[in-house]
Amino acid sequence: GENVEQHPSTLSVQEGDSAVIKCTYSDSASNYFPWYKQELGKRPQLIIDIRSNVGEKKDQRIAVTLNKTAKHFSLHITETQPEDSAVYFCAAGEYGNKLVFGAGTILRVKS
Amino acid sequence: EPEVTQTPSHQVTQMGQEVILRCVPISNHLYFYWYRQILGQKVEFLVSFYNNEISEKSEIFDDQFSVERPDGSNFTLKIRSTKLEDSAMYFCASSVGGTTDTQYFGPGTRLTVL
Repeated sequence: GENVEQHPSTLSVQEGDSAVIKCTYSDSASNYFPWYKQELGKRPQLIIDIRSNVGEKKDQRIAVTLNKTAKHFSLHITETQPEDSAVYFCAAGEYGNKLVFGAGTILRVKS
Repeated sequence: EPEVTQTPSHQVTQMGQEVILRCVPISNHLYFYWYRQILGQKVEFLVSFYNNEISEKSEIFDDQFSVERPDGSNFTLKIRSTKLEDSAMYFCASSVGGTTDTQYFGPGTRLTVL
């Protein structure tokens, strides 16, 4: 079955700097890769996703890249702000099927 | 914007008791999921449901668990005889399906088994 590894487990950046979180997956059948942001005690909120037919997707300060050959995908947040502080989860899955989540990255943006 | 809703927000129960967690998925969605998250850990898949039947379940989803869509709007997770280790946040999610497969999560039910 699918296994998703996520690094780093914690990440501290200065406000305005960039943050990068990386994930690898094992199942080549996975074709959908979302990123969720979870604030303390709240639901996971989708922030961006990418499908296997594209290599990169950008939405304002957030971008995701996918390397299908290497089976890894990354989240890039530019110009970080204190409100970006949260736990970020990557996930991998197939259309209509379960998502397998990474272990999460605690992002702290210091002002 | 439509959202997935869940009730109750917090459920406290005694070990061995049955609990039913309720979810109302987004109305035009066809795929439904239950996930759980033990405090401080990652989100884990429990079960997926499509066309009124289970499409996939994890090892966690043993005979103590069941799901049901009793009517056109609700989606429930039942734990027949709760154990201490069932204490977790339970999230319901739904998606339209097909190539538009974003899963939207509900706010969760925090289950505490004493």
